[in-house]
Amino acid sequence: GDSVTQMEGPVTLSEEAFLTINCTYTATGYPSLFWYVQYPGEGLQLLLKATKADDKGSNKGFEATYRKETTSFHLEKGSVQVSDSAVYFCALTLWTGNQFYFGTGTSLTVIP
Amino acid sequence: KAGVTQTPRYLIKTRGQQVTLSCSPISGHRSVSWYQQTPGQGLQFLFEYFSETQRNKGNFPGRFSGRQFSNSRSEMNVSTLELGDSALYLCASSLEDSTEAFFGQGTRLTVV
Repeated sequence: GDSVTQMEGPVTLSEEAFLTINCTYTATGYPSLFWYVQYPGEGLQLLLKATKADDKGSNKGFEATYRKETTSFHLEKGSVQVSDSAVYFCALTLWTGNQFYFGTGTSLTVIP
Repeated sequence: KAGVTQTPRYLIKTRGQQVTLSCSPISGHRSVSWYQQTPGQGLQFLFEYFSETQRNKGNFPGRFSGRQFSNSRSEMNVSTLELGDSALYLCASSLEDSTEAFFGQGTRLTVV
């Protein structure tokens, strides 16, 4: 079936450190891939997306590249800030409906 | 432009009761989906509605039901509440031809 496997957390980094959160997927078709972020007590906010192979999504210094050959969509940021502390979810969808398959989430804490 | 609005934000119910949650999508969005988020199971898809019709359904018991009105607002109902139904319930809306979903802040349901 369709699924997303995400790097286990929690992750703790010092400010300005490099961030990588791994995400791999299994899909029966050609999915669109997403990273969502969730701050405490809030819903999910779309961070970035990619809809086809080799696309790179980017936003607020975060980047992820859709790698079909490795079925991956790893999230990276060159220099994290305290305000990046949140839970990050990798997700896929196979069609224009709203059925997303989410990873388990990775909690990131950035310390000054 | 208003975002996805979920009401109420918090609910406390007793085991055996029923509950109705409401979701108002972004204006113009006709697709509405619902997710359950728990620490143990993560984010799980409940169902999706489009133009007042349920298009897709996740693997939840029949106690979980939903509907969508002609103005695209949606409600979900859970009958005969169980302790395990305690969760954050998230609603998402999207345009008909888009894979991008916008999430509300969620309704935190506690069953005691």
